[in-house]
Amino acid sequence: NAGVMQNPRHLVRRRGQEARLRCSPMKGHSHVYWYRQLPEEGLKFMVYLQKENIIDESGMPKERFSAEFPKEGPSILRIQQVVRGDSAAYFCASSPQLTGLQETQYFGPGTRLLVL
Amino acid sequence: GQQVMQIPQYQHVQEGEDFTTYCNSSTTLSNIQWYKQRPGGHPVFLIQLVKSGEVKKQKRLTFQFGEAKKNSSLHITATQTTDVGTYFCAGPRGNSGGSNYKLTFGKGTLLTVNP
Repeated sequence: NAGVMQNPRHLVRRRGQEARLRCSPMKGHSHVYWYRQLPEEGLKFMVYLQKENIIDESGMPKERFSAEFPKEGPSILRIQQVVRGDSAAYFCASSPQLTGLQETQYFGPGTRLLVL
Repeated sequence: GQQVMQIPQYQHVQEGEDFTTYCNSSTTLSNIQWYKQRPGGHPVFLIQLVKSGEVKKQKRLTFQFGEAKKNSSLHITATQTTDVGTYFCAGPRGNSGGSNYKLTFGKGTLLTVNP
């Protein structure tokens, strides 16, 4: 059973370009979460999605960032007009479904974004 | 807003020594989770604690959840070089079912082990 998959693993962009990060959740998981991790920092929640729905995007900057989880295909985190401050590791996590308690989130290997 | 603090930020030990990291939340948590991240790797789920005063063990790792459900600790007995990594605690924001999915992570404790 494949784990959470993310690609690319490393991404280099120049300032002003667009970055597209992809995440395929574990088989049978319908919930996807995106986190950002700056060097020597913890993970910061960005957005929570279910298929075709953004449930909570309160942790995502309102400008330049967007996320989607289409009916078919991976979830995509899109950063437009990247700036140097966007350089970070972006992790995707997935969980099967929410119950009354916190579901365990399984993390992908991450995409390391470097903006030159 | 909710804050999750971890101490120490760094810990260097000799192989065979014990290690403890502490996690404190500014708010009561419905549960707390621990993750390990190897250098260059991704967070790997270790355990979830739910009950007040709960203690769980995984081989040389012992996890505790405080009585007030605002603090937690991870203790490793007789560290090995394979224990190297950053240990994060994380708790869900809010106590309602609607916001349990938002994990607030501490900044982690980086453990290095001298062989």
